[in-house]
This record gives sequence, C-alpha cells and structure tokens, in this order.
Amino acid sequence: SYELTQPPSVSVSPGQTASITCSGDKLDDEYASWYQQKPGQSPVLVIYQDTKRPSGIPERFSGSNSGKTATLTISGTQPMDEADYYCQAWGSRSGVFGTGTKVTVL
Amino acid sequence: DVHLVQSGAEVKKPGESLKISCKGSGYSFATYWIGWVRQMPGKGLEWMGVIYPADSDTRYSPSFQGQVTFSVDKSINTAYLQWTSLKASDTAIYYCARPVPAAEGGHFDFWGQGTQIVVSS
Repeated sequence: SYELTQPPSVSVSPGQTASITCSGDKLDDEYASWYQQKPGQSPVLVIYQDTKRPSGIPERFSGSNSGKTATLTISGTQPMDEADYYCQAWGSRSGVFGTGTKVTVL
Repeated sequence: DVHLVQSGAEVKKPGESLKISCKGSGYSFATYWIGWVRQMPGKGLEWMGVIYPADSDTRYSPSFQGQVTFSVDKSINTAYLQWTSLKASDTAIYYCARPVPAAEGGHFDFWGQGTQIVVSS
C-alpha cells in the first residue's frame, strides 16, 4: 500500500524556522496537503495543493513539493505552533496520510 | 458557514453493532463527498474512505474494506459509519470531513468534531 513518511519529531526554538518533510513515491504526480492537530482537537488544514494557504492560516506557514518530497515550513515559529502535523496525498484510488510529525517549540 | 456535526461518544462491548452520524450544514450536502478518518489512541490519522451523497458511490481504503460500511441519508444531510460486530481494536476517535475532488488534491477542507468510540468488555 502507498505510504507517506515523515520524521517523528522536529524541535525548534521560538522565532526560528521549522521544516517538516513528507516522502512518497507518487508525490511527483500528486498534490500534497498538510494538517495541524493540537491535543484534543480536530485537524486543521494549513496547506493544500502543495503551496496554497486556506483563509485564516498565518503567512508563516508555507509549502513546497519537489520530486518525491513535500515540505511544510513554519517561519518565525511561535509557541502556539506546537502540535502534530500530517501530510496527505491521493494514492491510486484512495487517500493516505503521512506518519505524522510532532513539532516541539523549545 | 460549513459545519459537520457528529454524534456523541459511545461505549460498547465487543461483538455489538454501532452506527455513528455526521450531519452537514451550510453547503449543498449531496454534491460534496464525505470522508471518514480514524485516529487510534496516541496514534496518527488514517484515511478510511469516502462516500458521495448524491448517488452513494463509495471508495474504501483497502485497510477498511469489509470492516465498516458507509451510508448516507441525503434527505437529512447526514452520513453514517457503521460496524456490525465491534472489536476492541475499533477503539478510536472517528472524524468525518469534507474532501475536495481527487483531481484537486483530495484534501479535507472541513472537519467534524470527532466521535470517541470505546469498545471494552
């Protein structure tokens, strides 16, 4: 089955840049999207179609997709950005989520 | 405003059946797919599948095919996720969410609040 691989954890200091990667064999042909999930809450879409931000998502969130790797970048990371992040893409006939990355703001 | 409101938490015993719901409002319910996502305790998100309310066309992830059933009642803008015989391993939070078409990326732009299911003897 199709898999999307993310690093389990990323640590970042406040104000610095955090980058989260998502690797998958079909990412060079498919859009990637990203979700933020805080404890006890539903996921929130932060990036879609590789690079687009939904209304209300801060500009410090950006995305890219090159080759077989998509990347979510948080510039000027704030303590409120501490959360789990998941990538998502479409496989052959179904969607798939990445393994998830816990972002810790130290 | 788009809203997806899910039914409340459930505690069930192994072998029991269950049907949980997801009611959509603020948009044309029949013409948007509805998806289901599982999150087991302390684990990540799992894409279960989607259903199209207008004609009940359904796509299941291979991991969930035969394990659950999706259905809809478009007259009341409600989608359902059903089990005929629960197992302890079905213990999880289940989210409904609205996906855009696969050709546009298939991402979920709106989510329900989640339904907690506990299966324990």
